[in-house]
Amino acid sequence: NAGVTQTPKFRVLKTGQSMTLLCAQDMNHEYMYWYRQDPGMGLRLIHYSVGEGTTAKGEVPDGYNVSRLKKQNFLLGLESAAPSQTSVYFCASSLDRLKTQYFGPGTRLLVL
Amino acid sequence: KNQVEQSPQSLIILEGKNCTLQCNYTVSPFSNLRWYKQDTGRGPVSLTIMTFSENTKSNGRYTATLDADTKQSSLHITASQLSDSASYICVVSRNDYKLSFGAGTTVTVRA
Repeated sequence: NAGVTQTPKFRVLKTGQSMTLLCAQDMNHEYMYWYRQDPGMGLRLIHYSVGEGTTAKGEVPDGYNVSRLKKQNFLLGLESAAPSQTSVYFCASSLDRLKTQYFGPGTRLLVL
Repeated sequence: KNQVEQSPQSLIILEGKNCTLQCNYTVSPFSNLRWYKQDTGRGPVSLTIMTFSENTKSNGRYTATLDADTKQSSLHITASQLSDSASYICVVSRNDYKLSFGAGTTVTVRA
């Protein structure tokens, strides 16, 4: 039981490049979330999903897109990376919105 | 404006000593409050969760308290160990399940 995994662990992008971050969970959770964590700030919700095939915007969705084609996977895409998107990205999942969220190890992204 | 304020921002304690972290929030309407521990380079891990009717919850050497009237919570670490060195994050949930995260308190335990 791996819990929540994220790939890649670290990535460097040039401004304007695109990339996709992958999150996978093996706990059969319905809810999945993407957050970003910046120094001195709390985690901020980018997008979330309440089930396969559904996605919704969070607090800071601009510049990001997501897809949940399979229940166990939640993808976060950056179409045209900007230096302001330099951050650590965390994926999380939960059984439902009342239950504890389980976090992945994070992806550190540097946009030059 | 962040609706969850944590203090202190960081602290250093000697191994074996106790410490208390504070969390003040303005989130409303309140549903529950959680404390997470985040080790460096890792994702947050849940320590405790408290609803409106609960005013204390323990998890080993960690004890969280909640005063819903004053909108304050604290996390007390007893007999600190080197492995307690981490960031501790307070998370408050509203009735609509929206979560507000504090910026965290960084605890460093020194031998």
